[in-house]
Amino acid sequence: EDQVTQSPEALRLQEGESSSLNCSYTVSGLRGLFWYRQDPGKGPEFLFTLYSAGEEKEKERLKATLTKKESFLHITAPKPEDSATYLCAVQDGSGGYNKLIFGAGTRLAVHP
Amino acid sequence: GAGVSQTPSNKVTEKGKYVELRCDPISGHTALYWYRQSLGQGPEFLIYFQGTGAADDSGLPNDRFFAVRPEGSVSTLKIQRTERGDSAVYLCASRGDRGAYEQYFGPGTRLTVT
Repeated sequence: EDQVTQSPEALRLQEGESSSLNCSYTVSGLRGLFWYRQDPGKGPEFLFTLYSAGEEKEKERLKATLTKKESFLHITAPKPEDSATYLCAVQDGSGGYNKLIFGAGTRLAVHP
Repeated sequence: GAGVSQTPSNKVTEKGKYVELRCDPISGHTALYWYRQSLGQGPEFLIYFQGTGAADDSGLPNDRFFAVRPEGSVSTLKIQRTERGDSAVYLCASRGDRGAYEQYFGPGTRLTVT
């Protein structure tokens, strides 16, 4: 059964203090791993898709990496506006463009 | 262009009532998904439409839940005989066809069953 586990559940950082969020996954055949950002009261906002081990993608202060068992979202010199819940999801390779399996998310708070 | 829109943004209903939640996908997106998100959890898949047909409805929790997409664009999620346990945020997402797998989400409908 496909499964996604994110850690830590919550993370508090000082502005400028870099850190990483972890997403461990079990999937029968990975089609893609996705990172989303979700602000309170809003829908998830797409950040990255990673397709194969060794792949990396960057956007501003965020960098996502992928191995065969986990993905990391690295946040460099975060700012208070980076505070949000970060969700990781996987899509398995069977059955076409089907559902995403999400983790419970990491709640990030960045304080000035 | 416009993103995914959902109406209403909030819905409060009494236990046992019927509700309809609407989703307007990104123009031209043929794939549409419904998810449900409980507090402190990630979204949980309900149903996936490709065009007008439900390609995967394995996530619908029981036969009180039903969804339609009659013209391949707007979709409606219908819940009969609502229960307090149905209270959650219902999210809709759509995906384009040009080889990309990412899904784009709407703002959600917060359903509260009293």
